[in-house]
Amino acid sequence: AQSVTQLDSHVSVSEGTPVLLRCNYSSSYSPSLFWYVQHPNKGLQLLLKYTSAATLVKGINGFEAEFKKSETSFHLTKPSAHMSDAAEYFCVVRHGSGNTGKLIFGQGTTLQVKP
Amino acid sequence: GAGVSQSPSNKVTEKGKDVELRCDPISGHTALYWYRQSLGQGLEFLIYFQGNSAPDKSGLPSDRFSAERTGGSVSTLTIQRTQQEDSAVYLCASKRRGDGELFFGEGSRLTVL
Repeated sequence: AQSVTQLDSHVSVSEGTPVLLRCNYSSSYSPSLFWYVQHPNKGLQLLLKYTSAATLVKGINGFEAEFKKSETSFHLTKPSAHMSDAAEYFCVVRHGSGNTGKLIFGQGTTLQVKP
Repeated sequence: GAGVSQSPSNKVTEKGKDVELRCDPISGHTALYWYRQSLGQGLEFLIYFQGNSAPDKSGLPSDRFSAERTGGSVSTLTIQRTQQEDSAVYLCASKRRGDGELFFGEGSRLTVL
């Protein structure tokens, strides 16, 4: 069965330093993977998605993620954190083959950005 | 509106009462999801509707929970005999078939006293 594990529940970085949010997945199929962001008191928004095309995926707001099959990882990175990046981040895997199937969310990582 | 609409936005109920939460997805979206988010927790999958297929109910925590989707559009999540542990924000989301973006409603915050 597909699942995701976000390895850090809380990450704290200084503004202007790199961000790394870790996600490992397990999947019986070639997975579809996503990152969503939830800002305080706001709805969830798609950051980026991997659907078996390029392994390095670029998303909004300067974020990117690399699909590494050998490591079953899909870590989210950003070269330089901004204060506005402080939010909750969720790694998501689509369960099932084909282009249907439920989306399973990880437990989330809270990103804190210090001035 | 053009987004996913959920109602009520807030519901306070007494333990043992039944509640219904409504979701109106984006027109044309064939997939509809219900998730639950408790304070400080991630999103817990509850149920997934895809077109006319049988729903995936594997995330419903007990038989007190049920959901239906009428006419391939509006969905209602029903919680019977509510318990305090049911208190959470219930999120509905919809998307087109495939790996497009999941669009979320603003959620229904349920508080069971």
